[in-house]
Amino acid sequence: DQQVKQNSPSLSVQEGRISILNCDYTNSMFDYFLWYKKYPAEGPTFLISISSIKDKNEDGRFTVFLNKSAKHLSLHIVPSQPGDSAVYFCAASSLERDMRFGAGTRLTVKP
Amino acid sequence: EAQVTQNPRYLITVTGKKLTVTCSQNMNHEYMSWYRQDPGLGLRQIYYSMNVEVTDKGDVPEGYKVSRKEKRNFPLILESPSPNQTSLYFCASSLSSSSYNEQFFGPGTRLTVL
Repeated sequence: DQQVKQNSPSLSVQEGRISILNCDYTNSMFDYFLWYKKYPAEGPTFLISISSIKDKNEDGRFTVFLNKSAKHLSLHIVPSQPGDSAVYFCAASSLERDMRFGAGTRLTVKP
Repeated sequence: EAQVTQNPRYLITVTGKKLTVTCSQNMNHEYMSWYRQDPGLGLRQIYYSMNVEVTDKGDVPEGYKVSRKEKRNFPLILESPSPNQTSLYFCASSLSSSSYNEQFFGPGTRLTVL
């Protein structure tokens, strides 16, 4: 039972445009959400997070939006750069539960 | 440099031959965890450890063992590997056992069981 879902396995955008990666979750107990980025032959690295008491968190070109009523979060990258090409994992956790990860979305940013 | 290291990075073995994948962190983190990554399934937790001598099962513990005798090391043991354990494995650590902490991942171990 996948409690965190990333329904788009891949996404391709042009350099300079916005990339929007989506994530849905089913467990309403989740109250902390993270995005990790993974390059080939490396482990995932933490990118940005958001607590359920917020609906937006911004860090430079990266913004995460949380819609609790829809159990949906998204990661916006503006502007997208070729170096952003990677697999992005959404993760969710709560006090009672360890982190659960989505299947990942492969982002390709074309020059 | 703060890091999580795993060895080996690549391993090809045969069914039933016991193997150990080592994991070590130099950040004095309390919490350590093992994940496997499979296509379409993302990262699934195998085992985790909240502190020395404290380990617990994750979502997919069958066929695996772990130990945490020292804070920095958290080896993953496959007593009798099978082909369905062919996967990419990641070790991770975080400062405390709180689910709210970001985790630091090792570079991964690609295991093939023939």
